[in-house]
Amino acid sequence: AQKITQTQPGMFVQEKEAVTLDCTYDTSDPSYGLFWYKQPSSGEMIFLIYQGSYDQQNATEGRYSLNFQKARKSANLVISASQLGDSAMYFCAMRGHNFGNEKLTFGTGTRLTIIP
Amino acid sequence: NAGVMQNPRHLVRRRGQEARLRCSPMKGHSHVYWYRQLPEEGLKFMVYLQKENIIDESGMPKERFSAEFPKEGPSILRIQQVVRGDSAAYFCASSQQGMNTEAFFGQGTRLTVV
Repeated sequence: AQKITQTQPGMFVQEKEAVTLDCTYDTSDPSYGLFWYKQPSSGEMIFLIYQGSYDQQNATEGRYSLNFQKARKSANLVISASQLGDSAMYFCAMRGHNFGNEKLTFGTGTRLTIIP
Repeated sequence: NAGVMQNPRHLVRRRGQEARLRCSPMKGHSHVYWYRQLPEEGLKFMVYLQKENIIDESGMPKERFSAEFPKEGPSILRIQQVVRGDSAAYFCASSQQGMNTEAFFGQGTRLTVV
């Protein structure tokens, strides 16, 4: 079974500061993928970044980077130079790579509020 | 290249009616996943389908809920005899064949049971 834990229900961050959203996971799959999604107040789920468990380097996408520490089973999302438009719910998710275990398992989310 | 398309965006049903939610995956995607999100909660997995096959339905309620992904046409999530507790946002995601690929979500269908 897979499990995602997000321990920060809410965060307030000053605009232009960097922010780290925590995510730890548990799985018995030897190969898996880790995802972050953003859900603004409008409700859609926006894919942000993906990290494969065997990727040697941490994933980066613009202002988003994933701090992947495999031994600690953590996959924290780092947003640099935060903007007001970053205010949203953020979900960490994982998916196994074995047949039949490909569903995404989500954490409970972190509500990020950027303060002007 | 259109994204994952879900319709309707909003659906209102009276208790006891049927709800049909549709999901057209991205072009080239053969895997479809349905998720339910209750207010102020995360997404809960319901069912994973490939064309004409249900791969994993471990998250589907045993009664009233069914899903299909026919050879032609969209995937359908069907809820029979809806109750107030079915009110939620239902999201569909699709991905390409192969595991090291992102799953992209539709905009969701917000079901309200009155």
